[in-house]
Amino acid sequence: QQQVKQSPQSLIVQKGGIPIINCAYENTAFDYFPWYQQFPGKGPALLIAIRPDVSEKKEGRFTISFNKSAKQFSLHIMDSQPGDSATYFCAASSLNTDKLIFGTGTRLQVFP
Amino acid sequence: DAGITQSPRYKITETGRQVTLMCHQTWSHSYMFWYRQDLGHGLRLIYYSAAADITDKGEVSDGYVVSRSKTENFPLTLESATRSQTSVYFCASRGVDSSSYNEQFFGPGTRLTVL
Repeated sequence: QQQVKQSPQSLIVQKGGIPIINCAYENTAFDYFPWYQQFPGKGPALLIAIRPDVSEKKEGRFTISFNKSAKQFSLHIMDSQPGDSATYFCAASSLNTDKLIFGTGTRLQVFP
Repeated sequence: DAGITQSPRYKITETGRQVTLMCHQTWSHSYMFWYRQDLGHGLRLIYYSAAADITDKGEVSDGYVVSRSKTENFPLTLESATRSQTSVYFCASRGVDSSSYNEQFFGPGTRLTVL
C-alpha cells in the first residue's frame, strides 16, 4: 500500500513534443504529490507539487494532472526542450507521516 | 557553504570495511533523510531523523547505522560494507514550515563503490 508505481522507465521525445509521465498509488491517505527533477550528477530538486483538492496544477511548461478516483497523477511537459532532459521522480506523502514515497523514476531525453 | 553538503563525493572501499558518509545542512531543518539511488529502484529511504537524537528506520536500513547528535549533521555509517551497498547515496533535509510542507532539499550525492 505504500508503493508508488511510475511509468515509463524511459522516454525519448523530440523538441516541442509533450512527454507524459504517469504514476499510480494505492494508499488513499496520501495527500501530497510532488514531482522531483534530477539532472546527471546532481541531487533531485522539487519541480512541482499538487494536493488532491485540485485536479490540475500548472507552473510554466509543467502541468500535473490528478485523478483522485483512479488514484493516478501525471506530469506533462509542454513544448519540451533539450534542457528538460533529466530523470523525473513522482512521490507521495500524507499528513501523518514524515516520509516521501518515491516512484522508480523516468529518464527523459529530449532531442533537438 | 550554505545549503546541504555531502562528503566525500566519491568513495571506493573494500568489502568488510566500515565507511561513514557525512551530511551537513545550514538551514537548521528539523528533518534529515538518507536515501540510496539504484537503477530500477528509484530513491529508497534508508533512515530519517525528525530532530537531534531522534532517528527511525526506512525501508532498506539493514547494514546501516545513523546518529544525530547535532541538528545540522546526520552521518550514515556502513558498519561492514558489502558489494550490494554500492550505490549513490543522497542526504536530504526539510523544515516544518507549513508553506513548504514536505519539500525535501537534496544534497549532491556520494557515489560509493564497494569492491
